[in-house]
Amino acid sequence: DVKVTQSSRYLVKRTGEKVFLECVQDMDHENMFWYRQDPGLGLRLIYFSYDVKMKEKGDIPEGYSVSREKKERFSLILESASTNQTSMYLCASRGVSTDTQYFGPGTRLTVL
Amino acid sequence: DAKTTQPTSMDCAEGRAANLPCNHSTISGNEYVYWYRQIHSQGPQYIIHGLKNNETNEMASLIITEDRKSSTLILPHATLRDTAVYYCIAHSGTYKYIFGTGTRLKVLA
Repeated sequence: DVKVTQSSRYLVKRTGEKVFLECVQDMDHENMFWYRQDPGLGLRLIYFSYDVKMKEKGDIPEGYSVSREKKERFSLILESASTNQTSMYLCASRGVSTDTQYFGPGTRLTVL
Repeated sequence: DAKTTQPTSMDCAEGRAANLPCNHSTISGNEYVYWYRQIHSQGPQYIIHGLKNNETNEMASLIITEDRKSSTLILPHATLRDTAVYYCIAHSGTYKYIFGTGTRLKVLA
């Protein structure tokens, strides 16, 4: 079974702090994704990566950056957290031979 | 990806089959139909997908109409743990999924 893990289930940070969200997958997938999910807005793609050190902006990249130094790990960085970044953050991964994305359990981030 | 339309909510008695419909009338020939579910406060869980033929796995069955304009996800014997939001997605090859608002299924004891 594909396993996607995220570093924290719940996180509380203060405005202006730098925040790191980590995602690890164990299926040697090339593609990894970061989404955020907000009530009434569904899932929105922040960034994705199709290979190590490669990244592409999704629909809402502003205020975020990402890092993929190793194939199994994809990090989302909030350079200076703001209250409007309070959300559920979801990581997903996908192999190149399939369109099926596998999601992690999510991190619920609250920025005070 | 084609737009999908699902009922907002449904109830199902425990032990009965849950049939969740999805309309995707503008689906293109190379778009697959995917189903995911999301149990409260967890990440979406992959259930099943198909292109033209009906599909079955250990979780569910997927019935796709011959014209591919609609599909039905069937949970054959619903349990309380199947209570979740179910998402139908038409997807082909692009990087992102477009999740709609889904169907909130409540399984009743």
